[in-house]
Amino acid sequence: NAGVTQTPKFRILKIGQSMTLQCTQDMNHNYMYWYRQDPGMGLKLIYYSVGAGITDKGEVPNGYNVSRSTTEDFPLRLELAAPSQTSVYFCAGGGVDNQPQHFGDGTRLSIL
Amino acid sequence: EDQVTQSPEALRLQEGESSSLNCSYTVSGLRGLFWYRQDPGKGPEFLFTLYSAGEEKEKERLKATLTKKESFLHITAPKPEDSATYLCAVQAAGSARQLTFGSGTQLTVLP
Repeated sequence: NAGVTQTPKFRILKIGQSMTLQCTQDMNHNYMYWYRQDPGMGLKLIYYSVGAGITDKGEVPNGYNVSRSTTEDFPLRLELAAPSQTSVYFCAGGGVDNQPQHFGDGTRLSIL
Repeated sequence: EDQVTQSPEALRLQEGESSSLNCSYTVSGLRGLFWYRQDPGKGPEFLFTLYSAGEEKEKERLKATLTKKESFLHITAPKPEDSATYLCAVQAAGSARQLTFGSGTQLTVLP
């Protein structure tokens, strides 16, 4: 039982490039989330999903897109990367029925 | 708008020196308040959930308490391995279970 797995762990992009951050979970969570964490700041919600085929925007969705074709996978897409998207990105699952959210170990992304 | 403020931003303790971390919150109906521990290069690791004022939970040297406006994480006789960033988050009633986080308290315990 690996929990929530994120890949890659590190990535450097050039301005204007695009990429997909992968998140997969084996805990059968219907609810999944993408957060970003900037230095000295709390985690900010980007997008979330309450089940396969259902996604919605969080607090800071601009510049990102998500999809949820299966329960297990919740990829985050960056189109036209900008320096302001340099951050650490965390995927999480769970948070319902009095259960906590479980987080992956993050993807550290630098846009240069 | 839900808000979470944690203090202090950083705390240095000697091994065995007990202290408390503060989490003040405003939320439109509290479903739950969560404490997480985050080690460098890792994701947040769940510690506690508190649901109502007056509730307390303990785990080893940590004890979390909750009032209607704030939560405290008490650390008794800390050890160097307790060094980490401690994050507080709230989940609002009626939300899609997303968390609003504070910016964390970075705890360093010196041997």
